Amino acid sequence: DSGVTQTPKHLITATGQRVTLRCSPRSGDLSVYWYQQSLDQGLQFLIQYYNGEERAKGNILERFSAQQFPDLHSELNLSSLELGDSALYFCASSSERVHQETQYFGPGTRLLVL
Amino acid sequence: AQKITQTQPGMFVQEKEAVTLDCTYDTSDPSYGLFWYKQPSSGEMIFLIYQGSYDQQNATEGRYSLNFQKARKSANLVISASQLGDSAMYFCAMRGLRGTAGNKLTFGGGTRVLVKP
Repeated sequence: DSGVTQTPKHLITATGQRVTLRCSPRSGDLSVYWYQQSLDQGLQFLIQYYNGEERAKGNILERFSAQQFPDLHSELNLSSLELGDSALYFCASSSERVHQETQYFGPGTRLLVL
Repeated sequence: AQKITQTQPGMFVQEKEAVTLDCTYDTSDPSYGLFWYKQPSSGEMIFLIYQGSYDQQNATEGRYSLNFQKARKSANLVISASQLGDSAMYFCAMRGLRGTAGNKLTFGGGTRVLVKP
């Protein structure tokens, strides 16, 4: 158990819909990263938050947005869903302290868009 | 920009034998970390081992060791005494070490390992 929690574990929805994925980082970790894993794109970085502020953006579509709340949990919002958004979405957290830069992953949310 | 290359898409290993998974990298960051993660069929990403670019010694964690050759830009994972539970996908990854911003992980394509009894 990495200490990172993600809900829900599975999500099945239809094209055009909107979903919210939730992540709670490990106790004490201020940084949250979101990644998408799909068969054709592999593991891709989406976005990073540190202590409530956006710090870096990767290959995140405009239809996707995220935020980190004062209690440090984070949510990834996916809207106007398309078939190609079907993927495994991971949240990872890190303390970012020197020599403690490892990112620990949650169990992932498996999204299926029909 | 960072790039990770894993040239072995899949491999078989006999139970109780050692296996080496190849990983080469490229980066312009002066300071970086290298990681290996295991992804079993259930899907979770399990952290295995970490090597900092500044570390003088190769990292070891139980049956996992990282053969770090900085000049060759390689960070191979060695799993000793393979077990059936080691059957999984293995990802090599790297990130810059520059404070709190933008230290995303860049992943290789992965190597699928199947341990034979």
